Amino acid sequence: DAGVIQSPRHEVTEMGQEVTLRCKPISGHDYLFWYRQTMMRGLELLIYFNNNVPIDDSGMPEDRFSAKMPNASFSTLKIQPSEPRDSAVYFCASSPGALAGGLYEQYFGPGTRLTVT
Amino acid sequence: KQEVTQIPAALSVPEGENLVLNCSFTDSAIYNLQWFRQDPGKGLTSLLLIQSSQREQTSGRLNASLDKSSGRSTLYIAASQPGDSATYLCAVKRDGNKLVFGAGTILRVKS
Repeated sequence: DAGVIQSPRHEVTEMGQEVTLRCKPISGHDYLFWYRQTMMRGLELLIYFNNNVPIDDSGMPEDRFSAKMPNASFSTLKIQPSEPRDSAVYFCASSPGALAGGLYEQYFGPGTRLTVT
Repeated sequence: KQEVTQIPAALSVPEGENLVLNCSFTDSAIYNLQWFRQDPGKGLTSLLLIQSSQREQTSGRLNASLDKSSGRSTLYIAASQPGDSATYLCAVKRDGNKLVFGAGTILRVKS
């Protein structure tokens, strides 16, 4: 398996623009997670899905952030409008569910480095 | 609220040394604990996962222990190598499949 795939790897945009980050989880994994990493706050969970359904979005910072998972192999994280304080590395991760031995080990993608100027 | 603390924040050792990284968590009601490695500009690589019912896990030169009652885990690296230089993160999982991460320990192994 190719692992978790994220695109783009780098994104530079101007304040006010819409940004869309994409993720393809590992095939067969039931869970998908979106994290944000900054120097100040470390790694924070934004939202996670189970079987394409959002389970917990309490980490989503504002209404400007939205995430979707239209099918088991694709998810997007959208920021509209973007602001300079959104600059961070955004990671997607996936994990198998209870049927896979219940380990719930998470596997991370390479991340998208977002810079909002 | 679960809080995860990692000590030390940074560590520099000569090649060949055995070393210990520490992780503590405030709420012992965890499902599992996972150690990750992160190289500069890269994603996280899972190293070891310890279930709450387990005491330790080993993989090669790495050994992770868990003492749930005291809220502590250690990652032991034997015979360190320059290639081990990275940031090491621990994360605990509670119900709901959410991971709470520590801030990490930056390790530098000098050749």
